Amino acid sequence: GAGVSQTPSNKVTEKGKYVELRCDPISGHTALYWYRQSLGQGPEFLIYFQGTGAADDSGLPNDRFFAVRPEGSVSTLKIQRTERGDSAVYLCASNSGQGGTGELFFGEGSRLTVL
Amino acid sequence: SQELEQSPQSLIVQEGKNLTINCTSSKTLYGLYWYKQKYGEGLIFLMMLQKGGEEKSHEKITAKLDEKKQQSSLHITASQPSHAGIYLCGADYTGGFKTIFGAGTRLFVKA
Repeated sequence: GAGVSQTPSNKVTEKGKYVELRCDPISGHTALYWYRQSLGQGPEFLIYFQGTGAADDSGLPNDRFFAVRPEGSVSTLKIQRTERGDSAVYLCASNSGQGGTGELFFGEGSRLTVL
Repeated sequence: SQELEQSPQSLIVQEGKNLTINCTSSKTLYGLYWYKQKYGEGLIFLMMLQKGGEEKSHEKITAKLDEKKQQSSLHITASQPSHAGIYLCGADYTGGFKTIFGAGTRLFVKA
């Protein structure tokens, strides 16, 4: 596709359940980023991939959060034992990963609601 | 992020008026980015500033980075309803691969 695609666009789940959020970056982009945006706040950095490896996962809030990018393209953010505080919009972005952050191309986000 | 402060938090202006949004960093920036976000959508890149004193323009939006590379301002001339949205500044502190965002400024333009 032409842009970053995220699925699902909306996810409602119950406290304690497991959730997966998917990101399909722009073709050819080696760098992929996950951010979390709570209501009224700016995006909060979670994790960054360069190719298949997580180059910086310092933003993951705890060990319930995990992300993978097994083939260096699509990435999945996995949240175990969801809590109400996990409710937010999860944004994915990608870029060429060449020399510094550069312009990030964002998807429209996956809105997660934990009841 | 507490490293990056944006002001004002929100702004209501009459169509046709000029406005300025500020972004202040607690430490020296390697690069500063401005993005715009409409409700329910992802962020759209506006411009990137790297050099002290640098100024860039895109249509009616101008952004400037101060000489000390710790403060940036975004100025909109003759605002239009299409300018409404959330303006976010993003900081790159290391020339690496992480952008830290401010909380955003919510702009409303009254027709």
